[in-house]
Amino acid sequence: EDKVVQSPLSLVVHEGDTVTLNCSYEVTNFRSLLWYKQEKKAPTFLFMLTSSGIEKKSGRLSSILDKKELFSILNITATQTGDSAVYLCAVGEDVGTASKLTFGTGTRLQVTL
Amino acid sequence: EAGVAQSPRYKIIEKRQSVAFWCNPISGHATLYWYQQILGQGPKLLIQFQNNGVVDDSQLPKDRFSAERLKGVDSTLKIQPAKLEDSAVYLCASSRGLPRRDEQFFGPGTRLTVL
Repeated sequence: EDKVVQSPLSLVVHEGDTVTLNCSYEVTNFRSLLWYKQEKKAPTFLFMLTSSGIEKKSGRLSSILDKKELFSILNITATQTGDSAVYLCAVGEDVGTASKLTFGTGTRLQVTL
Repeated sequence: EAGVAQSPRYKIIEKRQSVAFWCNPISGHATLYWYQQILGQGPKLLIQFQNNGVVDDSQLPKDRFSAERLKGVDSTLKIQPAKLEDSAVYLCASSRGLPRRDEQFFGPGTRLTVL
């Protein structure tokens, strides 16, 4: 069965800290890995990674994929209270003509003052 | 660009009742997905449509859940009869298709409580 495992499950940091969120996966027909941010509503897209070793950056957030070791990390530098959310990792794979995303359970991040 | 629309936002029903959710995807997005997200878990795919055809419904409990996308645009998801374990947020998402078909855009969800 396909698996996407995120760690830690939750963490609390102080504003200004740097955090690293982890995602490991075991899927049959890997095509992409995505990170989403979920506050009290719909998940919002952050990054999509398809190639190993190429870092994607957006402001204070960055992510990288290692297809050999089957994991990805999401870094957030200089955290702010607005970064408090659940961060979801999802893996995209081919299932016939379908495009299937398998999600992890998420990492709940709380940033305190 | 308008986002994915869903209604209702909240629904409370008793077990064994029926309920229906509606989703209108982003204009031009051929692929539509329904997910179930139970509290503390990641979204789980229930069904995927490509235009008005089903391409994956392997995780849809077909004895009680049904979904349709008759004209290839908006979609409805129905539960009949509901069970307590169906309490969850039901998310609808859509995507453009190739080459970024994995980039899915989510609606605000419908929070279902079954009593």
